[in-house]
Amino acid sequence: KAGVTQTPRYLIKTRGQQVTLSCSPISGHRSVSWYQQTPGQGLQFLFEYFSETQRNKGNFPGRFSGRQFSNSRSEMNVSTLELGDSALYLCASSLAGGHSTDTQYFGPGTRLTVL
Amino acid sequence: DAKTTQPNSMESNEEEPVHLPCNHSTISGTDYIHWYRQLPSQGPEYVIHGLTSNVNNRMASLAIAEDRKSSTLILHRATLRDAAVYYCILRPYITSGTYKYIFGTGTRLKVLA
Repeated sequence: KAGVTQTPRYLIKTRGQQVTLSCSPISGHRSVSWYQQTPGQGLQFLFEYFSETQRNKGNFPGRFSGRQFSNSRSEMNVSTLELGDSALYLCASSLAGGHSTDTQYFGPGTRLTVL
Repeated sequence: DAKTTQPNSMESNEEEPVHLPCNHSTISGTDYIHWYRQLPSQGPEYVIHGLTSNVNNRMASLAIAEDRKSSTLILHRATLRDAAVYYCILRPYITSGTYKYIFGTGTRLKVLA
């Protein structure tokens, strides 16, 4: 079974631009979560989507948004990029995401560099 | 949000057992304890989880204190491939009916040949 895939793997943008990252979950998984990882803040939860609806959200500004399609694939968008948005963006999928024992499977991440 | 505390780093010799501690003194009765690890240049991967009883799987064992305020991940025989950052995570129940992971800073495990 194929794992979680994320595209692109690397991205370089300049301040003020916007960016869209893509995540394809494991087949059959309906929950997709996004995380931001930086050396200073570690892994921080951005949001979770289930059945095309945002079900949970972390403490990030409105510049960070996402969506999920009917095939469970998800995209996240960051508008008006800032230098501090440089990070590894990780996507994780799980079967349903709503149970305390649900296991998340992470993709390799997209490395975003903002210049 | 319930928080976990882990040592920043630990070292182990290859082929020896490793005990990675985690404190979670504010854990609530419905919080599951999950462990994930992140190998270099990869996303985190699931290791093990438990609620009250000790748990074993092919990767590791999880020992949970009786009062649940701490737990220990046990790698029975560390190999060089086990060098990673290990995260102890609580899965809190939140009012929306879903759960979210709150990652701490993790423990960076170095395995010496």
